[in-house]
Amino acid sequence: RKEVEQDPGPFNVPEGATVAFNCTYSNSASQSFFWYRQDCRKEPKLLMSVYSSGNEDGRFTAQLNRASQYISLLIRDSKLSDSATYLCVVNRDDKIIFGKGTRLHILP
Amino acid sequence: EPEVTQTPSHQVTQMGQEVILRCVPISNHLYFYWYRQILGQKVEFLVSFYNNEISEKSEIFDDQFSVERPDGSNFTLKIRSTKLEDSAMYFCASRTDSQGRGDFGPGTRLTVT
Repeated sequence: RKEVEQDPGPFNVPEGATVAFNCTYSNSASQSFFWYRQDCRKEPKLLMSVYSSGNEDGRFTAQLNRASQYISLLIRDSKLSDSATYLCVVNRDDKIIFGKGTRLHILP
Repeated sequence: EPEVTQTPSHQVTQMGQEVILRCVPISNHLYFYWYRQILGQKVEFLVSFYNNEISEKSEIFDDQFSVERPDGSNFTLKIRSTKLEDSAMYFCASRTDSQGRGDFGPGTRLTVT
């Protein structure tokens, strides 16, 4: 079983819609969690950290459920510029572990 | 805002040649990483480096690979004898502690012909 699993998509979503991504991780020793965004042929860039209490940054909301080993990302009022691959990232010991990513296409 | 930098942005080499990829991590960071991403595939962990030594490495990081932090600022990845399958984007990353966000460099595209 992969350590971090995501639905690869693609998700094709009309502009203005709300879209949600999920991610599961297999190792309960994982210690911290992030969503990164990656544009085509570019480096991963931090979108937001994920906390059990849930956290929001503008149109983006992230949630962690440690009991279910599940992480989510919600994007509201999606923009064309949100088109990218969204990477679920988990820290275990001092290792940063990436999911394969979920591709999102926002349609005009 | 400080950034991780990498050089060169693109390296073309022949199979069997040695390459050195260079990274300058953010100056107060203590943990350093190399990742690779083959086109269309996931970002794969290669190696982590802390306190001047390798702390963890993946199966990909075999005897052909080595890392160094020779002068306290540069962090290099050497591939001794490149293979066609080493063609990928190589990302360097650094962070202040073992649980914080990782900051990634823009990558070096390695093409082995």
